[in-house]
Amino acid sequence: DSGVTQTPKHLITATGQRVTLRCSPRSGDLSVYWYQQSLDQGLQFLIQYYNGEERAKGNILERFSAQQFPDLHSELNLSSLELGDSALYFCASSPAQGAVGNTIYFGEGSWLTVV
Amino acid sequence: AQKITQTQPGMFVQEKEAVTLDCTYDTSDQSYGLFWYKQPSSGEMIFLIYQGSYDEQNATEGRYSLNFQKARKSANLVISASQLGDSAMYFCAMRDWNSGYSTLTFGKGTMLLVSP
Repeated sequence: DSGVTQTPKHLITATGQRVTLRCSPRSGDLSVYWYQQSLDQGLQFLIQYYNGEERAKGNILERFSAQQFPDLHSELNLSSLELGDSALYFCASSPAQGAVGNTIYFGEGSWLTVV
Repeated sequence: AQKITQTQPGMFVQEKEAVTLDCTYDTSDQSYGLFWYKQPSSGEMIFLIYQGSYDEQNATEGRYSLNFQKARKSANLVISASQLGDSAMYFCAMRDWNSGYSTLTFGKGTMLLVSP
């Protein structure tokens, strides 16, 4: 158990809909990351938050947004969903903003299926 | 250019044998970190081992060791005494200054199958 908690574990929704994925980082971790894993794209970094503020952006679509709340939990909002958004979405956390040796621990992921 | 290259899409090993999973990386930074993660069929991503670019000794964690060859830019994962539960996808990843140390760049992974 990595200590990173993600909900829901599985989600099936229709095209055009909006969903919210939730993440609680490990106790004491200030950084939260979101990743998308799909068969064709592999593991892609989406976005990072540190102590409530956005710190880095990766290949995140404009239809997607995220935030980190004062209690450090984070939410990833996916809107106007398309079939191609079907993927495993990971939340991960680490203690600090960015240090080469800080391990990033992953949650179990949220499986999103868009039909 | 790919930052992390895992050339073995799949590997087979018999139980109790050792196996090496290859990983090469590309960075112009002096300071970087290399990580290996395991992803079983259940989907979770499990951290296995870390090697820093300035670490003089190869990292070890139980049955896992990292064969770090800096000049060749390789960071191979060695699993000793393979177990059936080691069957999974293995990802090599790097954190470097170019990414602002903000995140990990992953390879495409190697699927390891351990047979009895």
